[in-house]
Amino acid sequence: GESVGLHLPTLSVQEGDNSIINCAYSNSASDYFIWYKQESGKGPQFIIDIRSNMDKRQGQRVTVLLNKTVKHLSLQIAATQPGDSAVYFCAEIPSFQKLVFGTGTRLLVSP
Amino acid sequence: GAVVSQHPSRVICKSGTSVKIECRSLDFQATTMFWYRQFPKQSLMLMATSNEGSKATYEQGVEKDKFLINHASLTLSTLTVTSAHPEDSSFYICSASLGQGGMNTEAFFGQGTRLTVV
Repeated sequence: GESVGLHLPTLSVQEGDNSIINCAYSNSASDYFIWYKQESGKGPQFIIDIRSNMDKRQGQRVTVLLNKTVKHLSLQIAATQPGDSAVYFCAEIPSFQKLVFGTGTRLLVSP
Repeated sequence: GAVVSQHPSRVICKSGTSVKIECRSLDFQATTMFWYRQFPKQSLMLMATSNEGSKATYEQGVEKDKFLINHASLTLSTLTVTSAHPEDSSFYICSASLGQGGMNTEAFFGQGTRLTVV
């Protein structure tokens, strides 16, 4: 079935380092992908999205890379801060507005 | 960005009772809302798609008689967990999209509701 998975369940970094969170997706028909940040006890918060006709998109301190050949998505966070500590989910849209979430990666930022 | 409000944020109920969770889009109209369930340290799993003025569409394995969804207006969808049992304890999250059609639209999420059934 459809699945969106992450390689690393937990990523620990030092404050100021760059973080890279990876995601593999399985549905080649998906043409829209989103990264979400979820803090404890809260709903997901939109970070950045990318369409399948792009391979890179940049936001403020964040960059999403898409490799359709190997069905791989990554989120890069520059100069990681303690406030970035959260669980990060990638999500794809294989059909009308229905998000399929990956398993999540917990990012721990130590000072 | 658009705001989606979910209420209550936490609820504790006795086994066998029913609990209603509200999801409101505060500054936009949402033809479609989505309900998710999330167990600790796990991902969000879509339960159902709530369509204004029509019946909800449930994902495979989700009991529609157990999880009643009503989408009476363009700004409100409710999820009622009927005859709740301890295994229904979970984090329930709703989302709404700004899109009127098409796939590639941003979804905004509510704050989530922590349900504990004792």
